[in-house]
Amino acid sequence: AQSVSQHNHHVILSEAASLELGCNYSYGGTVNLFWYVQYPGQHLQLLLKYFSGDPLVKGIKGFEAEFIKSKFSFNLRKPSVQWSDTAEYFCAVSLNTGGFKTIFGAGTRLFVKA
Amino acid sequence: NAGVTQTPKFQVLKTGQSMTLQCAQDMNHNSMYWYRQDPGMGLRLIYYSASEGTTDKGEVPNGYNVSRLNKREFSLRLESAAPSQTSVYFCASSSGQGGLSEQFFGPGTRLTVL
Repeated sequence: AQSVSQHNHHVILSEAASLELGCNYSYGGTVNLFWYVQYPGQHLQLLLKYFSGDPLVKGIKGFEAEFIKSKFSFNLRKPSVQWSDTAEYFCAVSLNTGGFKTIFGAGTRLFVKA
Repeated sequence: NAGVTQTPKFQVLKTGQSMTLQCAQDMNHNSMYWYRQDPGMGLRLIYYSASEGTTDKGEVPNGYNVSRLNKREFSLRLESAAPSQTSVYFCASSSGQGGLSEQFFGPGTRLTVL
């Protein structure tokens, strides 16, 4: 069965530390890839997406993600986190199985210490 | 432009009671979705509607019904609530078929079934 795995459920970092959140999926066909973020008390919102082209995509607030097809991965990175990055991050993969269906990972809660 | 709105924000039900969660979007999107979010499980799709007048089951449809009242509104009904339905429910919409474009989320409804 298709699935999306986020390796870390909770991450605690100090401000200015670098961030990398892992995301792997299990599906061999065409995929579209997303990272969503949910700040405390707010809606989920799109951070970045990959459909095709350059596998290194840049999103809002200095985030970027790299699609490595051979590893079925779409890891999220940020060189220097801020306290305001405290949030829950969800990786989502849309699979083309006749129609598209989207599977979300379990989420990673990031806490950034000031 | 309110985006996606949901009512109510919080609800407590007793086992066996029924209720309807309301969702509306003002972005003229074709597709709408209902998800539930449980700790450690990410978002799971309950039902979706690819266009006005159509609805389809998602990953966890049992115990729920939906109505796509018009292009703007997509409601979720619990006919006989069970404690296993305690969750946070999110409505979302997208301009294209799920996976072909980003989804816009509502603020969520936190439901507790006693």
